[in-house]
Amino acid sequence: NAGVTQTPKFQVLKTGQSMTLQCAQDMNHNSMYWYRQDPGMGLRLIYYSASEGTTDKGEVPNGYNVSRLNKREFSLRLESAAPSQTSVYFCASTALLAGGTDTQYFGPGTRLTVL
Amino acid sequence: AQSVTQLGSHVSVSEGALVLLRCNYSSSVPPYLFWYVQYPNQGLQLLLKYTTGATLVKGINGFEAEFKKSETSFHLTKPSAHMSDAAEYFCAVTRRGNNFNKFYFGSGTKLNVKP
Repeated sequence: NAGVTQTPKFQVLKTGQSMTLQCAQDMNHNSMYWYRQDPGMGLRLIYYSASEGTTDKGEVPNGYNVSRLNKREFSLRLESAAPSQTSVYFCASTALLAGGTDTQYFGPGTRLTVL
Repeated sequence: AQSVTQLGSHVSVSEGALVLLRCNYSSSVPPYLFWYVQYPNQGLQLLLKYTTGATLVKGINGFEAEFKKSETSFHLTKPSAHMSDAAEYFCAVTRRGNNFNKFYFGSGTKLNVKP
């Protein structure tokens, strides 16, 4: 099992450009998440998908859109990149078990710089 | 609402010394608690978790944590630090239940191990 994979690993954009970050998991997990990580701020939730066919905003959704393409894939789109979106982006997934949401598994991250 | 507080954004210990990283949580319902470790330029890896049962939980690399409901704490310890333990550590909480629940992360503690 590859676990959670993310592409690309690195990206440099100019202000105003758009791009899509890809995420896939092969663990048959129900739920998927996108976080951003900035120094001293921990992980902040951008969007999540509790199950296939649903998506919801997290705490910092502005400037982003998501698509839950199927159970495996969850993409994050920046329509018009801004320097404030320079960050490391992590995708994660979880199983939903009888007792509740279980462990989150994380991808390796995408390091995005917006000039 | 749920939240996590990690006391100390930076902790420095000598090799062989006790490691103690503090985590306090707020949750109105029984929690699931997690510790994750992040090595430089990598994603987050699960170190250990508490769901139900024994309140002293053992994880990988000699780490353990104890769930103390009365103190709303889940502190991470290791008896003897190793140079390879230098990393950033994140505490996280989610709630028990049959439905999907979000995770809430602390802001992280960077552990420095001195030779």
